Amino acid sequence: EAQVTQNPRYLITVTGKKLTVTCSQNMNHEYMSWYRQDPGLGLRQIYYSMNVEVTDKGDVPEGYKVSRKEKRNFPLILESPSPNQTSLYFCASSYGGRGGRETQYFGPGTRLLVL
Amino acid sequence: DAKTTQPTSMDCAEGRAANLPCNHSTISGNEYVYWYRQIHSQGPQYIIHGLKNNETNEMASLIITEDRKSSTLILPHATLRDTAVYYCIVSTNAGKSTFGDGTTLTVKP
Repeated sequence: EAQVTQNPRYLITVTGKKLTVTCSQNMNHEYMSWYRQDPGLGLRQIYYSMNVEVTDKGDVPEGYKVSRKEKRNFPLILESPSPNQTSLYFCASSYGGRGGRETQYFGPGTRLLVL
Repeated sequence: DAKTTQPTSMDCAEGRAANLPCNHSTISGNEYVYWYRQIHSQGPQYIIHGLKNNETNEMASLIITEDRKSSTLILPHATLRDTAVYYCIVSTNAGKSTFGDGTTLTVKP
């Protein structure tokens, strides 16, 4: 089954304790993205990647890191989480490129609480 | 990036057509219009996309104006399960996406 998976789905942590949220897709997609969503707001893009070793900042990259060492995986790293990073996080992937190939497929979300 | 403007909320009676508008006046010639929806806090789900011609699939129809500055998503026979937040975005091949706050559609019995 074609899908985007995220782990963990729920996470409670404390300020300053490094954490990684994993994202994996099995559709051989070139593009992958991370979004955060806060109550009552739409999705805001954190980082995106157009291919292995190619990443770029989205609208809200502060406090986050990403890496793309393999095509299928795109982990989101919070090196020193703070309470304002409490949010619902989504990973997405797409073929990318021109010609209407930008349809994004989203993971189920990771709900993070930073105390 | 082309920005989109959508109404904050809309209501629709069950069984009637839901027409959700979107303005994208700065869209470029090769940019597609995409529609997604998000039910509760699930991952957004793709609905439909188009460039300049009207499009239809099993979920919805997409009407794009001739000047491409606006579009309308049509759910022909809305059901209670169509209650969701609907996002209209303009997508580029550069990977950057701006979703905005979307339209909360409430389908009422």
